[in-house]
This record gives sequence, structure tokens and C-alpha cells, in this order.
Amino acid sequence: RKEVEQDPGPFNVPEGATVAFNCTYSNSASQSFFWYRQDCRKEPKLLMSVYSSGNEDGRFTAQLNRASQYISLLIRDSKLSDSATYLCVVNRNTGNQFYFGTGTSLTVIP
Amino acid sequence: NAGVTQTPKFRVLKTGQSMTLLCAQDMNHEYMYWYRQDPGMGLRLIHYSVGEGTTAKGEVPDGYNVSRLKKQNFLLGLESAAPSQTSVYFCASSDNRGYSDEQYFGPGTRLTVT
Repeated sequence: RKEVEQDPGPFNVPEGATVAFNCTYSNSASQSFFWYRQDCRKEPKLLMSVYSSGNEDGRFTAQLNRASQYISLLIRDSKLSDSATYLCVVNRNTGNQFYFGTGTSLTVIP
Repeated sequence: NAGVTQTPKFRVLKTGQSMTLLCAQDMNHEYMYWYRQDPGMGLRLIHYSVGEGTTAKGEVPDGYNVSRLKKQNFLLGLESAAPSQTSVYFCASSDNRGYSDEQYFGPGTRLTVT
């Protein structure tokens, strides 16, 4: 079983829509959780860390459910510039290894 | 600050050839990582380093070697390239808080092995 699993999509949504991505992780020892954004043929960049209490950054909200071992990302009022691949990333507190999901592709349509 | 840089950006190798990919960071980060990214597979960790002079194996280390002789540089070597090593290689670095910290990625090296 993969460490991190994501629905690859693609998600095609109109501008202004709300879209949600989920990600599940297999190891209950995972301690740190992140969402990264990757534009086509570019390097990944941190979008936001995910905290146990949930956190929000502008139009983006991240949630963590440890009991069910999943992480979610909600994007409100989608913009054309949100079109990218969103990567779910987890880390256990041993080994310094980060595990990446395969990514979920989002295209925001005018 | 340049952040994380990678050299070269593109390379085509023939099977059996060797090469070294260079990663450099100017943020004084302790941790450095080498990943490969393949379609449908996501990023997979090849090797990583928690400080100068140290290296460790990641998820897919076979066929690769690494060295961290200077804190700012992390080298990835392919001794005898194989077509299965065709991929995009990303280097990343993070601060000494390690697992809880943001990773900064280089722009990637696109390698084709024919």
C-alpha cells in the first residue's frame, strides 16, 4: 500500500467555484503534513502546512483527520492562477523522510 | 539569495554512461534531499543528508550514490546509467528542524537515458 494516496483528477472547475481535494496516508505514525503546489514542469512549492486544529490561509483551508488518516484541502473562489497540481506530503518523526502523493490536477476554466 | 540551484538542467545519456548532478543551496540548511519524479509515481526519495559528511538511503537508492562534502552542496551520481533512470530529478533542502520544516526545491534536472 502506498504511503500517501490522492485522487489524480483531473478536476476541471469554473472560476469562482469551490473545490476540495482529499488525501489518505497509511502510516499512523505520520507526524507532519503539508500541501505543495506544482506548476507544469516546475518544482514543487509549499502551499501550506496542515495542523491538527485545521488552518486557513486566505481562500485555502486545510484539515487533518488523524482518526481516519486523511488530509483535505479546500479552495474557495477558484482563480485561473490556481490551475496546478496539488501534492499531499506527510512525514513521520523518524528518518527525516517525506512521502509525496502522486498529485491532484486542477484546471480552473474561465 | 539564489535558493536551491541544480546543474545541469537537461542531459541526455547513453546506457552505461556516468554523470553527476550537482545541487547547491545558499540558505545554510542542514538537510538536503534528492528525489526523482516519474509520471503516475509522484516524487520518490533517492538519498538524503542530515548534515555535512552524512548521507542516508531513501526509498529508491539503487543505482545512485551521493556525497555531501560541503554543507551547501549535495551531489548525486549515476555510475552506469540505465533507461529506467530516465526521470526528472529534484533536489531540496530544509532547515535543521527537519521533518516539520518546509522543503525548498531546485528547478529540476531532466535526464533522458537512451
